[in-house]
Amino acid sequence: GAGVSQSPSNKVTEKGKDVELRCDPISGHTALYWYRQSLGQGLEFLIYFQGNSAPDKSGLPSDRFSAERTGGSVSTLTIQRTQQEDSAVYLCASSSRGFNEQFFGPGTRLTVL
Amino acid sequence: GDSVTQMEGPVTLSEEAFLTINCTYTATGYPSLFWYVQYPGEGLQLLLKATKADDKGSNKGFEATYRKETTSFHLEKGSVQVSDSAVYFCALREGAAGNKLTFGGGTRVLVKP
Repeated sequence: GAGVSQSPSNKVTEKGKDVELRCDPISGHTALYWYRQSLGQGLEFLIYFQGNSAPDKSGLPSDRFSAERTGGSVSTLTIQRTQQEDSAVYLCASSSRGFNEQFFGPGTRLTVL
Repeated sequence: GDSVTQMEGPVTLSEEAFLTINCTYTATGYPSLFWYVQYPGEGLQLLLKATKADDKGSNKGFEATYRKETTSFHLEKGSVQVSDSAVYFCALREGAAGNKLTFGGGTRVLVKP
């Protein structure tokens, strides 16, 4: 596609359930990022993948959060045992190399009831 | 750690007014600085950037100058339009810390006709 796509666009879940959020980066982009946009915390970095290097997981808020990137393309962010404070918009971005412009997807709005 | 502080909104202006959004940062090294914009219902888009001290970024009539001495990157536009209504985010990228972006809290701007 022409841009970064994310699915689903909206997700409502019950506290304690696991959720998976998907990101399709721009074709050919080697770097992929996840951010979270929430009312209380603003826009914060979660995790960064660059090619085959080990991901930078320094922004993940707890061990309930994990992400993988298969085949250097699609990425899945998984949140286990969701809590109400996980409610936020989860944004994915990609760039052609580590230090080039990041292009953002439309986000997935997660609501934990 | 790195941080970005920007003025809180909302900022309400009349069309053709002058807009300034203040942004200051704290970083250990020599970061690159960015302004991102989020129009209603759309994803984050890069508005402009500056990669070293005294650089001026500009786009769509917006300008910001990288001021190392005051650790600032204020966004300005001389004559705003209704279509400039959006949320504006100041951000930095610290090379030594990888490619993750550190964002300010965002400033909502509403331009009235």
